[in-house]
Amino acid sequence: SSELTQDPAVSVALGQTVRITCQGDSLRNYYASWYQQKPGQAPLLVIYGENYRPSGIPDRFSGSSSGNTASLTITGAQAEDEADYYCNSRDSSGNVVVFGGGTKLTVL
Amino acid sequence: QVQLQQSGPGLVKPSQTLSVTCAISGDSVSSNTATWNWIRQSPSRGLEWLGRTYFRSKWFYDYALSVKSRITINADTSRSQFSLQLNSVTPEDTAVYYCARERRFTFFGVVTRTNWYFDLWGRGTLVTVSS
Repeated sequence: SSELTQDPAVSVALGQTVRITCQGDSLRNYYASWYQQKPGQAPLLVIYGENYRPSGIPDRFSGSSSGNTASLTITGAQAEDEADYYCNSRDSSGNVVVFGGGTKLTVL
Repeated sequence: QVQLQQSGPGLVKPSQTLSVTCAISGDSVSSNTATWNWIRQSPSRGLEWLGRTYFRSKWFYDYALSVKSRITINADTSRSQFSLQLNSVTPEDTAVYYCARERRFTFFGVVTRTNWYFDLWGRGTLVTVSS
């Protein structure tokens, strides 16, 4: 079982804003990273260090955290943002990598 | 351009050993700013971290408890690659296996917080365990 909890599915209307959340006790001490995965592809890092975007990731993707919850926000969702999104961090020991169960984002 | 190139058989028989190799181009397996990881993904288990290796004056190896008795990760500096071996496989080990580079980010504020993130992934190797 995952130590990071995500909602299994979320939907958003085209051009609207959506927030995807990730909960876990270890997030009180460590930031989460966020990944986008489309069918047949490897995960792609979209947010790290709470709110840093790798080169090439659109600025409509942003991250935040509060307490034991990390959030990924997509402001002005596009059709190409439809994908699975995963959060990742370390467990409370700081040694073991953990992933959330993933959130399937549908853009309507 | 940094890349991870995976190779390995797609079909393994039950009780045998699964082997996948990840060749690194544009970086070094002995980099002191990265760790080199194996992660698998299946519909039943989602994304599951298996283990990592990294070099900090000496080699370190960390493994997930779920596979610790069956897994070996090796680093080959001469070929700039690292490999995964998983022994005594069962059909439950059927998954897409990824290699990935992990880096660390530390925020020094009122409270210092750390984030580890996988910024580079291989394309994945589908390994099916079946007789």
